Amino acid sequence: NAGVTQTPKFQVLKTGQSMTLQCAQDMNHEYMSWYRQDPGMGLRLIHYSVGAGITDQGEVPNGYNVSRSTTEDFPLRLLSAAPSQTSVYFCASTRDGVTAASYNSPLHFGNGTRLTVT
Amino acid sequence: KNQVEQSPQSLIILEGKNCTLQCNYTVSPFSNLRWYKQDTGRGPVSLTIMTFSENTKSNGRYTATLDADTKQSSLHITASQLSDSASYICVVSEDPNNAGNMLTFGGGTRLMVKP
Repeated sequence: NAGVTQTPKFQVLKTGQSMTLQCAQDMNHEYMSWYRQDPGMGLRLIHYSVGAGITDQGEVPNGYNVSRSTTEDFPLRLLSAAPSQTSVYFCASTRDGVTAASYNSPLHFGNGTRLTVT
Repeated sequence: KNQVEQSPQSLIILEGKNCTLQCNYTVSPFSNLRWYKQDTGRGPVSLTIMTFSENTKSNGRYTATLDADTKQSSLHITASQLSDSASYICVVSEDPNNAGNMLTFGGGTRLMVKP
């Protein structure tokens, strides 16, 4: 199993450009989520999904869109990139379909996308 | 606001030595606490998960402790190896029966093990 796969690994955008960060998992996990990781700060939840067709906002959703048309894929779209969106983005999944906070449901993370917006 | 504070922010030790990382949290209601290891350029990987009834849990040379009364956890690394060089992240979960899908992440402790 490949686990959680994120592409691309690196990306440089100009302010105002749009792009989609891809995330796919092959573990048949119901729950998927996107986080951003900034220096000195903990991971912050952007959006999450508890199953195909269902998405919800996390702590820092502004400037990002998501969709979940299949169980496997959960792309993150930046609508109009801003320098404040320079960060490392992680996609994660877990088997639990109701909440990622449940016991014995560790998050499985991808290896991240490092995004720079100039 | 729920918070998870980790200390120290960074730590350098010599190979073969032991070390202890600290995690204090204010998350309530509490469901479980997790420690993750994050190698440079990689995503975090789960080391341990503990509920409020578990005081100690080991995973090889890693031993996590939890005091739910004082809301403190520690991660002890025994006989450190160069491969232990990484960031260690403490993550606390709210009661899953209470609210949505919120996990509170600490800022991490960056450990460097030198030969």
